[in-house]
Amino acid sequence: NAGVTQTPKFRILKIGQSMTLQCAQDMNHNYMYWYRQDPGMGLKLIYYSVGAGITDKGEVPNGYNVSRSTTEDFPLRLELAAPSQTSVYFCASSDTNQGYNEQFFGPGTRLTVL
Amino acid sequence: DQQVKQNSPSLSVQEGRISILNCDYTNSMFDYFLWYKKYPAEGPTFLISISSIKDKNEDGRFTVFLNKSAKHLSLHIVPSQPGDSAVYFCAATNFGNEKLTFGTGTRLTIIP
Repeated sequence: NAGVTQTPKFRILKIGQSMTLQCAQDMNHNYMYWYRQDPGMGLKLIYYSVGAGITDKGEVPNGYNVSRSTTEDFPLRLELAAPSQTSVYFCASSDTNQGYNEQFFGPGTRLTVL
Repeated sequence: DQQVKQNSPSLSVQEGRISILNCDYTNSMFDYFLWYKKYPAEGPTFLISISSIKDKNEDGRFTVFLNKSAKHLSLHIVPSQPGDSAVYFCAATNFGNEKLTFGTGTRLTIIP
């Protein structure tokens, strides 16, 4: 049971480039999330999904896109990278059956846009 | 509008002493609170939680206290150990809400 996995661990992009951050979970969780963490700040929700085919915006969605074609995978797409998107990105998942939302996090992707 | 606040960015505590991390919230709809621990270059990991029907929850060296009237919770770690050095995030939610609201974190350093 690998939990939540993220690839890549590190990436450097040039302004205007695009990339996809991969996230997968093997816990059969319905809910999945993408957060970003800037230095000295908390976790800001970018997008989330309550099940395959269903996604919704979080607090800071601009500049990002997501899709959820399977329960396991929740990729995050950056279309035109900007320096403001330099951050550490965390994917998380949770099980809706509990009523309360205890989330399990991946190890993160550190992205630098130059 | 920061609904969950951790006003101390950092805290240093001697090994063996008690560490107390604080968290305040403004949204009275929150009824479930969680603490996460984060080591460098790793994702946050769940530590302990508390429902608003309780005022205390204990798990080994970790105890969370909730004061609903003051909209305040605290995490007590006793005795503190070097492996407790990490960033601690407070988070809040309410029943059926698919989202968590996180505080900005407190960096705890345990001094040997």
